[in-house]
Amino acid sequence: EAGVAQSPRYKIIEKRQSVAFWCNPISGHATLYWYQQILGQGPKLLIQFQNNGVVDDSQLPKDRFSAERLKGVDSTLKIQPAKLEDSAVYLCASRPGAAGTGELFFGEGSRLTVL
Amino acid sequence: KNQVEQSPQSLIILEGKNCTLQCNYTVSPFSNLRWYKQDTGRGPVSLTIMTFSENTKSNGRYTATLDADTKQSSLHITASQLSDSASYICVVSANNAGNMLTFGGGTRLMVKP
Repeated sequence: EAGVAQSPRYKIIEKRQSVAFWCNPISGHATLYWYQQILGQGPKLLIQFQNNGVVDDSQLPKDRFSAERLKGVDSTLKIQPAKLEDSAVYLCASRPGAAGTGELFFGEGSRLTVL
Repeated sequence: KNQVEQSPQSLIILEGKNCTLQCNYTVSPFSNLRWYKQDTGRGPVSLTIMTFSENTKSNGRYTATLDADTKQSSLHITASQLSDSASYICVVSANNAGNMLTFGGGTRLMVKP
């Protein structure tokens, strides 16, 4: 079974530029999450989707971050414009069940460096 | 407010030694607790899941315990190996709409030869 796929693995941009990360969850997984993980800390939830609907985006900085999961499968997270403090690893994860049940599987992450 | 606190923040041990990592939580209502291992530059991988009725569960050299009364969990690593060097993250799932997850800050373990 293929795991959660993320791209790109690494991205370096200058502040005020934009960046987009892509995630393809495990086939059939209804719930998809985007997390931000700053070096040395645990993951922090940015947004949770159930199919193509948003369950929780309370911690997403909506003035600069946006995410979509249009067809309930893959998802894109965008940052525009980027700030220095956005330097982090962006982890995508998915769970099989509706309402976020089942084991959580993570992708390898996309490491963003903002200069 | 749901919280998960892990201790210690970091730990250095010699290869072959045992160690125990702690996780205290205030998540309610409780559904389950997972321990994840995150190698440097990789995504977290599940080690074990503990439900309310389980006290102890082993996965090779990893043994997790859960005390639902005191809301504490521990992860014991026996006969550590260099490959155990990683961050260990405790994640607690709430039994509510959306099955919200609360993450601990992790314990960074370094095993030295």
